[in-house]
Amino acid sequence: GQSLEQPSEVTAVEGAIVQINCTYQTSGFYGLSWYQQHDGGAPTFLSYNGLDGLEETGRFSSFLSRSDSYGYLLLQELQMKDSASYFCAVRDRGERNFNKFYFGSGTKLNVKP
Amino acid sequence: SAVISQKPSRDICQRGTSLTIQCQVDSQVTMMFWYRQQPGQSLTLIATANQGSEATYESGFVIDKFPISRPNLTFSTLTVSNMSPEDSSIYLCSASWADGYTFGSGTRLTVV
Repeated sequence: GQSLEQPSEVTAVEGAIVQINCTYQTSGFYGLSWYQQHDGGAPTFLSYNGLDGLEETGRFSSFLSRSDSYGYLLLQELQMKDSASYFCAVRDRGERNFNKFYFGSGTKLNVKP
Repeated sequence: SAVISQKPSRDICQRGTSLTIQCQVDSQVTMMFWYRQQPGQSLTLIATANQGSEATYESGFVIDKFPISRPNLTFSTLTVSNMSPEDSSIYLCSASWADGYTFGSGTRLTVV
């Protein structure tokens, strides 16, 4: 099976930097994705790491260490609109060679003025 | 990435009835996936839908309860059968592309 752990809630102030960690266990690991979900909305894709290292997309960066089964999402210059839930998801090559994503429990980010 | 139209966006259903949720993708995709999300909770994978073959279900989900159709590369349906209040949840379809998923807007189901 798969298991992912991430903090349940994080609070930060506008303009700050916040890091959301994710540790995972899975047998067919293929990569790690991050999704953002605002209340009442659908998850939207933020980033994907298939290889070790840092991927940067604007204010958001994501890091992966396959040897440590660990990744994080880094949000810089926080804005109020960044208040949302953030999910890490492992890409797992299943029995029939399908690439499926399994999601963590989510981290609720509260950005305060 | 693809754009997915999902409907209905919400419904209130009587227990014992069935609801079919539809997802239309604006481009051809090989794999589609159905998830369930309780409010404030994570996304749980129900099944993988591949065109031309039976859906593959995750542990705890069965075809009789959640039959899935995938008649072509742009469309899929999920039926929630013989509903009970425990089926009240948000149901999301998704399509895979190179690095991730695109999700439909979700169906908020309440069973009374």
